Amino acid sequence: AQSVTQPDIHITVSEGASLELRCNYSYGATPYLFWYVQSPGQGLQLLLKYFSGDTLVQGIKGFEAEFKRSQSSFNLRKPSVHWSDAAEYFCAVGAATNAGKSTFGDGTTLTVKP
Amino acid sequence: DADVTQTPRNRITKTGKRIMLECSQTKGHDRMYWYRQDPGLGLRLIYYSFDVKDINKGEISDGYSVSRQAQAKFSLSLESAIPNQTALYFCATSDPGTQTYNEQFFGPGTRLTVL
Repeated sequence: AQSVTQPDIHITVSEGASLELRCNYSYGATPYLFWYVQSPGQGLQLLLKYFSGDTLVQGIKGFEAEFKRSQSSFNLRKPSVHWSDAAEYFCAVGAATNAGKSTFGDGTTLTVKP
Repeated sequence: DADVTQTPRNRITKTGKRIMLECSQTKGHDRMYWYRQDPGLGLRLIYYSFDVKDINKGEISDGYSVSRQAQAKFSLSLESAIPNQTALYFCATSDPGTQTYNEQFFGPGTRLTVL
């Protein structure tokens, strides 16, 4: 069975500071990995995804993530956070053998200080 | 126009009432999903459907039922609502293409309160 762990429930950063949100997954084969963002009162929006190839993937809104197979991690990064990045972030793992389903982490809430 | 819509957006109901949440999509995707979101618990899969004749239980299907009326419509019903079903419910779709079919497209959510 696949699983996702987001170790940080809540992170606070200052505007302009760098950000890293952690995600660890458990899956026996090569996973499909996703980061979604949920702004207050909104549904989830895909930030970026990894299926194969280059392990550093670029997403929308200036986010990037790096797949590290040896560490079973897919951490999300942004060099300079903007106040509008305050939201909840979900990491998810899927697999070709899992009939299109994804398993989501519990989420990390990001607060941005002025 | 939104690709995945949900109605209602907010609903307050009483214990024991039957309630239906509706989801429609214009993305042309075959696969549709219903999730429940509770604070600190992420998203949990209730039911999913790969086409109108293929419906499957997720990890927390007890107390829920679904209907896939058409490729574009997938409804979630609470037969007899109870307070611990108070949550935010999301519908999602995905496309069974070769590499993208795990990527999910979400509706805006329905906030359900059961008193």
